Amino acid sequence: DSGVTQTPKHLITATGQRVTLRCSPRSGDLSVYWYQQSLDQGLQFLIQYYNGEERAKGNILERFSAQQFPDLHSELNLSSLELGDSALYFCASSVDSRERFFGPGTRLTVL
Amino acid sequence: GIQVEQSPPDLILQEGANSTLRCNFSDSVNNLQWFHQNPWGQLINLFYIPSGTKQNGRLSATTVATERYSLLYISSSQTTDSGVYFCAVGQAGTALIFGKGTTLSVSS
Repeated sequence: DSGVTQTPKHLITATGQRVTLRCSPRSGDLSVYWYQQSLDQGLQFLIQYYNGEERAKGNILERFSAQQFPDLHSELNLSSLELGDSALYFCASSVDSRERFFGPGTRLTVL
Repeated sequence: GIQVEQSPPDLILQEGANSTLRCNFSDSVNNLQWFHQNPWGQLINLFYIPSGTKQNGRLSATTVATERYSLLYISSSQTTDSGVYFCAVGQAGTALIFGKGTTLSVSS
């Protein structure tokens, strides 16, 4: 157990819908990272937050957004969902931007 | 951006065999991690090893930062070692870049 929690574990929804994925970092970790793992793209970095502020952006679509709250948990919002958004979404955290610890992931299926 | 190449892409072993997985990267890094993704999809930290050598049970890893590669050694492999092994690298304060992974299958 990495200490990073993610909910829900599985999510099945329809095209055009909006979902929210939640992540709680390890105790004491200020940085949260979101990654998407799909069969054709591999593990892709989406976005990083540090102590509530956006720190870095990767290949995140405009339909996706994220935030980190004062209690340091983070949410990833995915809207206008398409079939191609089906993937495993991971959250990771770190205390000092070095070693990252990954949560168990949320498996999103868009039908 | 940094390119990460892992080899071999696939590896099939009998239980008890040893193996070496390689990770090459295209630029200097100060963060390198090895992960094991098990059949349930979980990413498990194996090593944080931007340089040097570390050992943890049957697993060990070596990173030669000046030559831009890292090796993961698995000895006396077990069926529970099956899964995908990822190398991921990064520079100060940046996101980890993942390789495409090595898929390991260990049969009894």
